[in-house]
Amino acid sequence: DAGVIQSPRHEVTEMGQEVTLRCKPISGHDYLFWYRQTMMRGLELLIYFNNNVPIDDSGMPEDRFSAKMPNASFSTLKIQPSEPRDSAVYFCASSLGPGRSQPQHFGDGTRLSIL
Amino acid sequence: GQQVMQIPQYQHVQEGEDFTTYCNSSTTLSNIQWYKQRPGGHPVFLIQLVKSGEVKKQKRLTFQFGEAKKNSSLHITATQTTDVGTYFCASYGGSQGNLIFGKGTKLSVKP
Repeated sequence: DAGVIQSPRHEVTEMGQEVTLRCKPISGHDYLFWYRQTMMRGLELLIYFNNNVPIDDSGMPEDRFSAKMPNASFSTLKIQPSEPRDSAVYFCASSLGPGRSQPQHFGDGTRLSIL
Repeated sequence: GQQVMQIPQYQHVQEGEDFTTYCNSSTTLSNIQWYKQRPGGHPVFLIQLVKSGEVKKQKRLTFQFGEAKKNSSLHITATQTTDVGTYFCASYGGSQGNLIFGKGTKLSVKP
């Protein structure tokens, strides 16, 4: 079975540019999560969706970050404009509902470097 | 909000030594999950504990959930170089789908 698929695996871009990260969750999973991981702050939840609807976006750092889930098989995380402090590994994860008893399945992540 | 505190942050051991990481919360946890992240990899689910005092084993790994459901531990017997990585505990917060992760314990094993 295919796992969570993220693209791109690596992204290097200059500050000020728009960055779009993509995620395809495991088929049938109705929860989707976006995380950011850095050495300083560890693994941070940015936003999560249930049945394509954003449930909690309180972890989104600021208005430069936005996330969408137009359908059950695709989600994007967009940063515009990007800044060097956005450099991190961004993970997408999905789980089967109801969420409380289910493990999360992570993608391989996108390593983002903002110069 | 709910937090899970994990200690130690780092642990360096000689191959063959035992290793333990601890996860603590000030509030009662509905369950606890453990994940392992290899260097350069992504977190991978290991196990879930739900019942008070529950103990589960996976080969050399032993997972415990405290009687009060406020703490948990992961113990590895006779570490091997393949155990290298960061171990995270996680638990669901107030929202139904919001999994809260500890900061993790990074384990290094010297051969």
